[in-house]
Amino acid sequence: NAGVTQTPKFQVLKTGQSMTLQCAQDMNHNSMYWYRQDPGMGLRLIYYSASEGTTDKGEVPNGYNVSRLNKREFSLRLESAAPSQTSVYFCASSVHRGRGNTIYFGEGSWLTVV
Amino acid sequence: QKEVEQDPGPLSVPEGAIVSLNCTYSNSAFQYFMWYRQYSRKGPELLMYTYSSGNKEDGRFTAQVDKSSKYISLFIRDSQPSDSATYLCAIPNTGGFKTIFGAGTRLFVKA
Repeated sequence: NAGVTQTPKFQVLKTGQSMTLQCAQDMNHNSMYWYRQDPGMGLRLIYYSASEGTTDKGEVPNGYNVSRLNKREFSLRLESAAPSQTSVYFCASSVHRGRGNTIYFGEGSWLTVV
Repeated sequence: QKEVEQDPGPLSVPEGAIVSLNCTYSNSAFQYFMWYRQYSRKGPELLMYTYSSGNKEDGRFTAQVDKSSKYISLFIRDSQPSDSATYLCAIPNTGGFKTIFGAGTRLFVKA
């Protein structure tokens, strides 16, 4: 049971470098999400895709871009990394965006920007 | 004021203790309430969810909602070292696609 798979698991970037976090889900879910998790801040939504072909900003979108490549894949790009983007990033998916909908998370990507 | 407030702990208890984890929220329109469990270096996974007020029990876990006080709780009976994790309350907003997470309470159960 793969569920939500995200890569890479660990990455160190220099300030100003760019990178893309890849995410794929095999549960045929419509909605996909990118969150970041910082100590004391909980999970904060960066971007989400309610369905294939759509993307919308979440709570903290600045400095990020996303692409919903197809129903399975949703990538997160940092164009010019900053130390403030040091965080743990989680990709997630759900059947749809309805209330009470279970969100399934990947195992996380640890990103350090130096 | 944050929409969902949760004490980050950490909370340390001996094995067998009853654990109470709590969150408060500000929007009286919220109706679904969820608890996620997150082990170290893993993603969160859904533990329980409840709709509206009342209690829901699943084995050693009980989720409780008090809408009049805007207060949600998760009780763990006979806590085990394997329960050591971070517990996050989560509330889908009225639109559904932006689930609001609490900061998470880190729980340690000592053998």
